[in-house]
Amino acid sequence: GAVVSQHPSRVICKSGTSVKIECRSLDFQATTMFWYRQFPKQSLMLMATSNEGSKATYEQGVEKDKFLINHASLTLSTLTVTSAHPEDSSFYICSALLEGAGGYTFGSGTRLTVV
Amino acid sequence: GENVEQHPSTLSVQEGDSAVIKCTYSDSASNYFPWYKQELGKRPQLIIDIRSNVGEKKDQRIAVTLNKTAKHFSLHITETQPEDSAVYFCAASSGGGADGLTFGKGTHLIIQP
Repeated sequence: GAVVSQHPSRVICKSGTSVKIECRSLDFQATTMFWYRQFPKQSLMLMATSNEGSKATYEQGVEKDKFLINHASLTLSTLTVTSAHPEDSSFYICSALLEGAGGYTFGSGTRLTVV
Repeated sequence: GENVEQHPSTLSVQEGDSAVIKCTYSDSASNYFPWYKQELGKRPQLIIDIRSNVGEKKDQRIAVTLNKTAKHFSLHITETQPEDSAVYFCAASSGGGADGLTFGKGTHLIIQP
């Protein structure tokens, strides 16, 4: 089946630094990818939609200059959390839209801890 | 935008009994309604989904029903087993699936032995 590989699975960084999270579609081309954030014991919240070759679309309340999304190829989308702060600590998950059959496939998630 | 409400937040049932989780949505353009099971620290796992042109779908012990008029859909799990214990999320998507998913707040399902 369609697999999205997400790395890293866990990362700890210092306040003020930047962290890059990668999502790769392994056996299919992902024209559209979605980035979600999930705080402990809460639901997944859509942050942004990335389309290959164009600018990402951000949901209301998500700072585009803080959460940089790049979708430069049909198999790779990246999310960079810039100038991270402790309140950015969360579980970040990417998801790719599956063409044709429809539906979505999720990456394994990245647990970000900012200290 | 879309708003998805999910109830209950916690559901405890005896092993072997049935469990029902309900969701409502606000956007009549939504046409794809998946249900996910998520274990702690893991990715959501799709357990069943339904599209707006279908009223009911079943897969072994799991079924989903959709009422487009009332804008609600439900997950039914029969003959519950301990391994069914997890957090379940409903979600909705509009735009033919080109949009991201709007998730409900989740239901923590506890199967009592």
